[in-house]
Amino acid sequence: QTVVTQEPSFSVSPGGTVTLTCGLSSGSVSTSKYPSWYQQTPGQAPRTLIYSTNTRSSGVPDRFSGSILGNKAALTITGAQADDESDYYCVLYMGSGTFVFGTGTKVTVL
Amino acid sequence: EVQLVESGGGLVQPGGSLRLSCAASGFTFSLHWMHWVRQTPGKGLVWVSRINGDGSGTTYADSVKGRFTISRDNAKNTLYLQMNSLRAEDTAMYYCVKGYTKQEYYNGMDVWGQGTTVTVSS
Repeated sequence: QTVVTQEPSFSVSPGGTVTLTCGLSSGSVSTSKYPSWYQQTPGQAPRTLIYSTNTRSSGVPDRFSGSILGNKAALTITGAQADDESDYYCVLYMGSGTFVFGTGTKVTVL
Repeated sequence: EVQLVESGGGLVQPGGSLRLSCAASGFTFSLHWMHWVRQTPGKGLVWVSRINGDGSGTTYADSVKGRFTISRDNAKNTLYLQMNSLRAEDTAMYYCVKGYTKQEYYNGMDVWGQGTTVTVSS
């Protein structure tokens, strides 16, 4: 059973920078997994931030960026704002039309 | 504007069945993969199933394989999820999600609906 791992939580100061990662319990994440990232605030549906590793979805501010760092996918928030306080999920394409979500990271801005 | 409106959720007994629907508008429905994603209260997102544009290809998470069936009616711009042999652990919010086109299907999920709640309990 493949597990996609994310940090449970992160704290960042307003204006600060935070990097969230998305890894695999077995193996490494590369662009061939087409990592994507989603933001969810309590009581709301998720919103797509990044797809295909580093492409921002329409309307997403450029303070959100995606990359591969070592053997993991990464989401960096630069210049964090109060309304970035949310849960963040990654998704990896596992091939054959299947996808697996990460465990999610709760980001607090304080 | 892309819109996805789910319906069909509710309370059902263990072992029962339910069919979810998702009405889509604002894009060429037949060109896009579509997904169902669920979320248990207070927990993370779980990918459930996907279907390709013409409905000829479907895949499922292991946890629902053999019990759930995804389908679509492109003439009605509607996505479905038939859920049979429901279990307590299927209790969740179910989201209908627009995927990408045939050429970029691997990009995962694009626009999300607001979800419909399914509760499996006696």
